[in-house]
Amino acid sequence: AAGVIQSPRHLIKEKRETATLKCYPIPRHDTVYWYQQGPGQDPQFLISFYEKMQSDKGSIPDRFSAQQFSDYHSELNMSSLELGDSALYFCASSPGRGSYGYTFGSGTRLTVV
Amino acid sequence: GENVEQHPSTLSVQEGDSAVIKCTYSDSASNYFPWYKQELGKRPQLIIDIRSNVGEKKDQRIAVTLNKTAKHFSLHITETQPEDSAVYFCAASTYALNFGKGTSLLVTP
Repeated sequence: AAGVIQSPRHLIKEKRETATLKCYPIPRHDTVYWYQQGPGQDPQFLISFYEKMQSDKGSIPDRFSAQQFSDYHSELNMSSLELGDSALYFCASSPGRGSYGYTFGSGTRLTVV
Repeated sequence: GENVEQHPSTLSVQEGDSAVIKCTYSDSASNYFPWYKQELGKRPQLIIDIRSNVGEKKDQRIAVTLNKTAKHFSLHITETQPEDSAVYFCAASTYALNFGKGTSLLVTP
């Protein structure tokens, strides 16, 4: 079965650079969620989209932005990167705005040096 | 917002014993309570979930109980095996998931 696809798998950036993470949800899933997980931490909800509109907002820094496109894929844009942004970034998708049938992608490991 | 507390933070059991992890939540509107197993550097994997209209659910060696009045839910793993060793997260949600801090479970042979 198709899963949630995230790219890239690994990314190394320098401080103050920008990064773009991509997420391709499971076909027919119209809701996408982004999570940030620091070392030894629980996943923290950043932002979600339903039918290409922002639906819920968590602890996303002002330096980050995200959107969902017409094909339902989503991109997380991160600017002015800081060392503390180093983390695993997970995308998840679900069929509809609600957490039933929630599936996580494999994540993008971002390292800021 | 929702606040999920999870205990214990670490748990060590002998192979074959049972393991119990407990979580409490604060938002009475939360209606979905999944449990995830996560290995180092990997994605969280759903192991069992329960909805607010159900009090208990079982899947082979894994069971979850929910007490909506007390706002707590628990994960029970019976006949533990070394491959059960991982970090386990509970979560509560209406839409986005709010995770507990995790329990590092170690099953020793």
